[in-house]
Amino acid sequence: NFMLTQPHSVSESPGKTVTVSCTGSSGSIASNFVQWYQQRPGSAPTAVIYENNERPFGVPDRFSGSIDTSSNSASLTISGLKTEDEADYYCQSFDSNNYVVFGGGTKLTVL
Amino acid sequence: EVQLVQSGAELKEPGESLKISCKGSGYSFISYWIGWVRQMPGRGLELMGIIYPGDSDTTYSPSFQGQVTISADKSTSTAYLQWSSLKASDTAMYYCVRQASPLRWGQGTLVTV
Repeated sequence: NFMLTQPHSVSESPGKTVTVSCTGSSGSIASNFVQWYQQRPGSAPTAVIYENNERPFGVPDRFSGSIDTSSNSASLTISGLKTEDEADYYCQSFDSNNYVVFGGGTKLTVL
Repeated sequence: EVQLVQSGAELKEPGESLKISCKGSGYSFISYWIGWVRQMPGRGLELMGIIYPGDSDTTYSPSFQGQVTISADKSTSTAYLQWSSLKASDTAMYYCVRQASPLRWGQGTLVTV
């Protein structure tokens, strides 16, 4: 079973840059697109990155995504951190049967 | 505009049955897989299963096989998630998603048992 592993939590100060990783368990993470979702308390998840590195309309360019095939991982980078970025972040991709797979989520604290 | 609108919050007793809904609009409902995602309190996202409304082809995640039923009505562009006998452990937020890149999410339905 294909799985995505994320760190449980990360923290950084306002104005700094933080990177959240998402590591694939098997195969190549480059085989399917990776998406990233932000979930604030009490709200549904919303996409901040799709197709590895594309930003939906309205998402600031402080958010960026990348893929590293050498480590079989995807990364979400947020620069110029703001307190409003504090949320849970989930990566998502697909397995070999085109079935949705989620990472376990990373809690971002901006302190 | 693509929208998925879910039915309202539910408060049920253990053993009761329940069917929640997700109505799609702004796109061809029969052309995209619809999934149901569970989020238990303070926990992550779990895909329960998916359905292709065009032909009702359905796949369940192993953990949810036999525990819930997913269905869809093409005529009303609505997908459903149902339980025949709820347990306290079914207490969670349930989201429907349109399987595309990225996923498009409904607003969620809180089920409390």
